[in-house]
Amino acid sequence: NAGVMQNPRHLVRRRGQEARLRCSPMKGHSHVYWYRQLPEEGLKFMVYLQKENIIDESGMPKERFSAEFPKEGPSILRIQQVVRGDSAAYFCASSPLSGGNTGELFFGEGSRLTVL
Amino acid sequence: RKEVEQDPGPFNVPEGATVAFNCTYSNSASQSFFWYRQDCRKEPKLLMSVYSSGNEDGRFTAQLNRASQYISLLIRDSKLSDSATYLCVVASNSGYALNFGKGTSLLVTP
Repeated sequence: NAGVMQNPRHLVRRRGQEARLRCSPMKGHSHVYWYRQLPEEGLKFMVYLQKENIIDESGMPKERFSAEFPKEGPSILRIQQVVRGDSAAYFCASSPLSGGNTGELFFGEGSRLTVL
Repeated sequence: RKEVEQDPGPFNVPEGATVAFNCTYSNSASQSFFWYRQDCRKEPKLLMSVYSSGNEDGRFTAQLNRASQYISLLIRDSKLSDSATYLCVVASNSGYALNFGKGTSLLVTP
């Protein structure tokens, strides 16, 4: 059973470009979370999705960031017009139930975005 | 005040030592608590849940003090392989998301 798959693992963008990060949850998991980890900082919750629905996006910046989890295919975190401050590791996690209930989120290895 | 606060360390201990990490949380209504482990440049992984009565898993003991909003992790007989960052985690108000502390770094030396 493959774990949470994220790609790309490393992404370099210039300021103003778009970044698209993809996440395929573990088989059988319908809950997907995106977290951001800035250098020397903790993981910060961004968004929680179930298939075709955004359940909680309270951690998402108001502009330039969007997320989706379509009926078919991976979850996508999209960052438009990237700035240097967007450089971070973006972790996707999945769970079979709501993470707050069980506490067990299965994380992918992360996508490391560098903005030049 | 941050939702979850931890002493960042680093804690440098010799093999075989006992080491304790502490964590405080701000939301008194929080119901679920956990410790995760994160190796350098790797993803976090669940180490153990924290129950009100305290719980033990091998060399690891977790305790919760709701009155003080305080969580602890005790590691006995430290191994070199215990070297990692330990993340204190509290379920959010919504119950959906998990709030992570910045982590406490542990280095176990020979």
